[in-house]
Amino acid sequence: ELKVEQNPLFLSMQEGKNYTIYCNYSTTSDRLYWYRQDPGKSLESLFVLLSNGAVKQEGRLMASLDTKARLSTLHITAAVHDLSATYFCAVMNYGGSQGNLIFGKGTKLSVKP
Amino acid sequence: DVKVTQSSRYLVKRTGEKVFLECVQDMDHENMFWYRQDPGLGLRLIYFSYDVKMKEKGDIPEGYSVSREKKERFSLILESASTNQTSMYLCASSPLRMGIGELFFGEGSRLTVL
Repeated sequence: ELKVEQNPLFLSMQEGKNYTIYCNYSTTSDRLYWYRQDPGKSLESLFVLLSNGAVKQEGRLMASLDTKARLSTLHITAAVHDLSATYFCAVMNYGGSQGNLIFGKGTKLSVKP
Repeated sequence: DVKVTQSSRYLVKRTGEKVFLECVQDMDHENMFWYRQDPGLGLRLIYFSYDVKMKEKGDIPEGYSVSREKKERFSLILESASTNQTSMYLCASSPLRMGIGELFFGEGSRLTVL
């Protein structure tokens, strides 16, 4: 059974600092997705990582995937308040019928001035 | 832009009522999904559908059913709502037929069962 663990679950950062959110998963998969959720809102797709070594960057966020280590990271550079949100990783579960995404529990990021 | 529309953002129902949550997508996606989101539990898949009139159980289908009569519409039905079904319900669609690609989510329906 595929399990997805994110850490930390809560992260309070100061503006201008760097930090990394980690997403570990327990069985083989080569597709990983990062989503952002603002309070009271739905999930918005951030990154789609489809192969080992994939790296995607958008603004102050950079995501990478290491399928051998079963690890993805979401790196935040010089955080700003607008990045405050909950971030979810989701991993493709090939063991399921037609596949489905297994989500981590989310990392609630708060960026303070 | 892909648009996934959930008909009701907020609903309040009583225990035992039948509840319909409607979801419509406008991008001709084959796959559609219903998740529920609860604090501390993340997102859990209730049902999904990869074609009209097709449905597959997700991780927590008990107490729910679904209907997909048209490609663009996927409905979640609570036959007899219970208080433990108070939750945020998220509908999503995906453009790939074989294998699941990136999911596009609706705005969510927050259901309270009294």
